[in-house]
Amino acid sequence: SQTIHQWPATLVQPVGSPLSLECTVEGTSNPNLYWYRQAAGRGLQLLFYSVGIGQISSEVPQNLSASRPQDRQFILSSKKLLLSDSGFYLCAWMGGRGREYTEAFFGQGTRLTVV
Amino acid sequence: GQQLNQSPQSMFIQEGEDVSMNCTSSSIFNTWLWYKQDPGEGPVLLIALYKAGELTSNGRLTAQFGITRKDSFLNISASIPSDVGIYFCAGKGAQKLVFGQGTRLTINP
Repeated sequence: SQTIHQWPATLVQPVGSPLSLECTVEGTSNPNLYWYRQAAGRGLQLLFYSVGIGQISSEVPQNLSASRPQDRQFILSSKKLLLSDSGFYLCAWMGGRGREYTEAFFGQGTRLTVV
Repeated sequence: GQQLNQSPQSMFIQEGEDVSMNCTSSSIFNTWLWYKQDPGEGPVLLIALYKAGELTSNGRLTAQFGITRKDSFLNISASIPSDVGIYFCAGKGAQKLVFGQGTRLTINP
């Protein structure tokens, strides 16, 4: 069965420090991968998605970047964090019905607090 | 970024009542999904809809994919305390999955 791992679960970082959040998927190949951010009490905002190794699509201009160095690994990074980068970050993979990619499954999330 | 219009934003109901929420979009989607999120957790998939007009049930939950492919609704019958949480609709186009703003459900015993 497929599983998705996201870490760390919580993170407190000072303003101006770098960031690296990692997400890995097991039990599937060539998944679509997604990074979302959720502000407190708000909906999920799509930040980046990737349909293959090295292929990254950015949805909103921001202080973050994403990379996909391996098929089942998706990394969210920042060189210098801002206070506004605080939030709940969720990684998701999409699969289901073979290669049709119709159902998305989420990791447990990383709560990032920038102080 | 693109988002769906989900309503209502919040609901306060009595245990045992039925619940209805919906999502609309200006774009056509190939798939509609409904998720539930508990505090501090990632969303969990409840129901997936693949065809316009499709009506699907999962226990006390029923969801429909609108005929125009621009809307969907979710009904919960006979609510129980564990139904508390935030419910999200999501629409899938070619590659992207976009979410509504969520409906926060609170149940009074």
